[in-house]
Order: sequence, then C-alpha cells, then structure tokens
Amino acid sequence: DIQMTQSPASLSASLGETVSIECLASEDIYNNLAWYQQKPGKSPQLLIYYASSLQDGVPSRFSGSGSGTQYSLKINSLESEDAATYFCLQDSEYWTFGGGTKLELK
Amino acid sequence: VQLVESGGGLVQPGKSLKLSCSASGFTFSSYGMHWIRQAPGKGLDWVAYISSSSGTVYADAVKGRFTISRDNAKNTLYLQLNSLKSEDTAIYYCARSVTTEGIPAYWGQGTLVTVSS
Repeated sequence: DIQMTQSPASLSASLGETVSIECLASEDIYNNLAWYQQKPGKSPQLLIYYASSLQDGVPSRFSGSGSGTQYSLKINSLESEDAATYFCLQDSEYWTFGGGTKLELK
Repeated sequence: VQLVESGGGLVQPGKSLKLSCSASGFTFSSYGMHWIRQAPGKGLDWVAYISSSSGTVYADAVKGRFTISRDNAKNTLYLQLNSLKSEDTAIYYCARSVTTEGIPAYWGQGTLVTVSS
C-alpha cells in the first residue's frame, strides 16, 4: 500500500505571505497527486489534480508541483479565506490521503 | 452536481446500517463514485469506489464488512455497513469522480455514523 506523509501538520502565517505544504509518497506515484482544501464544518474542495493542474474556479495563487515521490502545494499572497485544512491524495494505486495540514492566519 | 447523503445515525457495535447518496445534475451512470469518511476531528480516510461499470474496490479496513453499490435507474449510490466497530464512527461522504473515473472531485455534505453501545 502507498503511504502519504504530509508536512507540516500545522502552519501559522500572515496575510500576504507565501506558504508551502509537502507530501511524500512511499513510492513513485507518477504525478497522480491531488490537493484539497477543507474548511471547518464543510466538505473538502478539490484544488489541484495530476500534481499541478488547477481545478476550474480555483484562484491562481494556488499551485502544485513535484514528481516521483515528492509533491508540494504553494499558496501565494495568503488571504483570510485560505485558513483551512489541506489534504493531499494519491491515486496512483487506489487512493490514500495524507494526514492533513491545518493552516492558520495570524 | 449535487450529492445528498442520508442514512446515518447511532448504531450499536456489531450492527448494520445502509447509507444512501442521491445524485443529480449529471449523468450518474457515466461516473465512478467514492465513499470517504472522516472521524471527528481527524483526517480523511478513503473507504470504497465503484466504477461506472460497477467494478468495486475497498480499503483494507472495511473489506469484507462494507459493500458499495449503485442503482443507476434511481441515481443513487449506497454503502452497506456491516459488523460495525467503534472505529467506524465518522462522517461519511460520497463523492463523484473528476471525470468518468478517477479522483473524487464533487462531494456531498456527509452523513454522521456513530457506533456506540
């Protein structure tokens, strides 16, 4: 089974800053990696698929990159609405989520 | 795309429950569908998938206890939960694949299953 290790578990940043969240797969997942945003009490929303493709309607300040076993989500120019928990998901072999990163705005 | 889950509730350990997910706004029969769960205050846990041709895949933690199925005539997805354990307590979400198959892209609001005596 493919394991996904996401870091950091939590993150605090200021408005306007740029942050990155990482996901490390236990084996090569060939860019089959998605990122989701979940706000409290809400369902997850798809942000990025196939490592770097932006889902329709997602602001361009979100971007994804990576290859092989290492992937990252970058959020530029943080806005207050970006406070949320972020999850990665591999779908190279079945589906496995990372543990999540809680992003708080200072 | 609209997905509405129902059927959650309080159930005793060892008992059964059947969840439903009513779909609208797209051609249900053309899409793979997922069930994903989230224990209170925890992360996301993929549970099961059914393809448009009704092939099924399960997470190891639920294999042999849960059954995913679909009724395309009713535009409804199901999850039969048997031999429930306390660790199955979670919000259960259904989700539609981004294209005809693949990652979950559109999610319902979830239904809470609580397993407790």
